[in-house]
Amino acid sequence: DIVMTQTPLSLSVTPGQPASISCKSSQSLLHDDGKTYLFWYLQKAGQPPQLLIYELSKQFSGVSDRFSGSGSGTDFTLKISRVEADDVGVFYCMQSLQLPYTFGQGTKLEIK
Amino acid sequence: QVQLQESGPGLVKPSETLSLTCTVSGDSISHYYWSWIRQTPGKGLEWIGFIYYDGSTNYSPSLKTRVTISVDTSKNQFSLNLSSVTAADTAVYFCARVPTGLGDAFDIWGRGTMVTVSS
Repeated sequence: DIVMTQTPLSLSVTPGQPASISCKSSQSLLHDDGKTYLFWYLQKAGQPPQLLIYELSKQFSGVSDRFSGSGSGTDFTLKISRVEADDVGVFYCMQSLQLPYTFGQGTKLEIK
Repeated sequence: QVQLQESGPGLVKPSETLSLTCTVSGDSISHYYWSWIRQTPGKGLEWIGFIYYDGSTNYSPSLKTRVTISVDTSKNQFSLNLSSVTAADTAVYFCARVPTGLGDAFDIWGRGTMVTVSS
């Protein structure tokens, strides 16, 4: 299985400040088709995860452009340009290059 | 608006079979892949498997011997059966849609249903 490792496990950010979450995979997520099968989700309290970013850097419909994904190979980053109170929750990276699909352990974002 | 709703017993005895159903509303089940994912405090989010409307499936190797996912297109539902459950199968179970064009992302999720395995 591909292991997904996120850092940090938690972070506290002042509203209006940027935030960054790292995700590393145990093997490259670059497919022969040129796409990187890395995704980012946000799970707010009491809710299911919601898709933010698909295929490394593509924003899902309706997602704020404050969220952006980047990286390559095995190293990936989710950036929030300006954190808002509504961003509180747990962020997960996930890979779908290879079955079984696997998730990172999550990064909890709280507001200072 | 597409919605998914999980249903089934919230309590299952050890060694018995966990059975859940996901009802899809707002769209036909015949256009996508559909998946089950579970979440535990200890292991986090775990993908269980997915099914296409034609009945073709793929399961997580760690659960493959105990999992069956089926689809009922007439009811716009798909189901999860997990046999020989133990306390380790206690989790929140989510169903989710896997549309084409998003690289197998889960774009719409049910709210989840908590299943406890206990005698």
